[in-house]
Order: sequence, then structure tokens, then C-alpha cells
Amino acid sequence: LAKTTQPISMDSYEGQEVNITCSHNNIATNDYITWYQQFPSQGPRFIIQGYKTKVTNEVASLFIPADRKSSTLSLPRVSLSDTAVYYCLVAAGGVTGGGADGLTFGKGTHLIIQP
Amino acid sequence: GAVVSQHPSWVICKSGTSVKIECRSLDFQATTMFWYRQFPKQSLMLMATSNEGSKATYEQGVEKDKFLINHASLTLSTLTVTSAHPEDSSFYICSARSGSRYEQYFGPGTRLTVT
Repeated sequence: LAKTTQPISMDSYEGQEVNITCSHNNIATNDYITWYQQFPSQGPRFIIQGYKTKVTNEVASLFIPADRKSSTLSLPRVSLSDTAVYYCLVAAGGVTGGGADGLTFGKGTHLIIQP
Repeated sequence: GAVVSQHPSWVICKSGTSVKIECRSLDFQATTMFWYRQFPKQSLMLMATSNEGSKATYEQGVEKDKFLINHASLTLSTLTVTSAHPEDSSFYICSARSGSRYEQYFGPGTRLTVT
């Protein structure tokens, strides 16, 4: 599994857009990039997944450059409730199969949103 | 959709006793379930992978005789911590994956405290 590198922590303010970048230099051709959010004493929550270019859903956007060696999770207009740890993971898989392996979590990024 | 539950949400037991934790996929069939452990202020660590109807695969360093995993149906996996000791105190989280999707859906976790 490709190793990921993220900032240990980030601070921002309510209403701001927050971008968290993850490096995954050794990403493989069949690897997907997935981001999870975790609040204290809760299980991780799936945020977004992508393979290349840009993916957007109702809570976030994921930007992946052409070389796929990094990705950026973008959270628009954050609120205090977005304070959490965000994990970037890279693993094989897709809609039609694969992804049979357990996930390898890095240290994640502790995002703190202030009023 | 894609809801995973765990029971109990927290448990306190005495050293030397065994504790069983249940993981259920409520609205989908989980061909594969994973068990993770998370110590305070640390990331999730994969313990084992279980496929319905077959023996679990344990990660290196995880004692399979101590952490018994059963995945008897497509909606239920159990983790039994046998002869628990204080160092087994941790946050145990399961995740489930259906056969046709890559995303893993996590349960809310179980806090185990061994006294």
C-alpha cells in the first residue's frame, strides 16, 4: 500500500475554505484515494474518494493532479463541527472489485476550527 | 444506507475475563469485515480481516488465539478478546465492505477498559 504524508495539524476559522494536501508519491496504477473523517471516540466516516482529476460531493471536493502523486481535500466554508482528524488513504480498489485489503491509516491531520 | 453498528459501545471487564464485541452491517451484506484497534491519540491499526464463512486473516503481531474472530453470516462479525489484560484496553472499530463497492463503512467503535 502506498504511504501517505499529511500535515499533522491545521487551524482555520469558521466560514473559511480549508485545503488539506496529502502526498502519495508511490501510488500505483490501480490505487484509489480516499479521505475519512474521525471525531473523538467515533469510527471514521467516509468523505470522498477519487482516482484522478476532480471529484465533488455534498461535503467536499477532491483534487488530484495528473501525476496522482498528491491530492487535496477541500472543505468549503468550514464550521466548528468540522474539527476532527482527517485521514488520507491510498489503496487498490474500485466500484467493480478489488479493495479486499484492510486500510492502512497514517497519522492523519488534526483540523481545528476556531470561531 | 451503509450503516454499521457495534455492540456494546463501551465495556469494562476484569483482567482475565473474555469480552465479545459484535459488528453488524444493517442495510447491506458484508462479504468482508475488518477489525481495527486504536489507542489514545494514535491512528487506527488493522488487526484482522474476516470473510464470511472462512477463517480470519490476522495482521503480523496480532495474536489470533487472543483475538477470536467469527464471521458467521453476511451481516455479523464478532471479536472476542480472551483473557483480557489492561494492555488490551483500547478502542475497537470494525468496518464492513460489500462485494461490489470499494468503500469501507465503519462502525461507531467499542471502548474496552480492562481493570
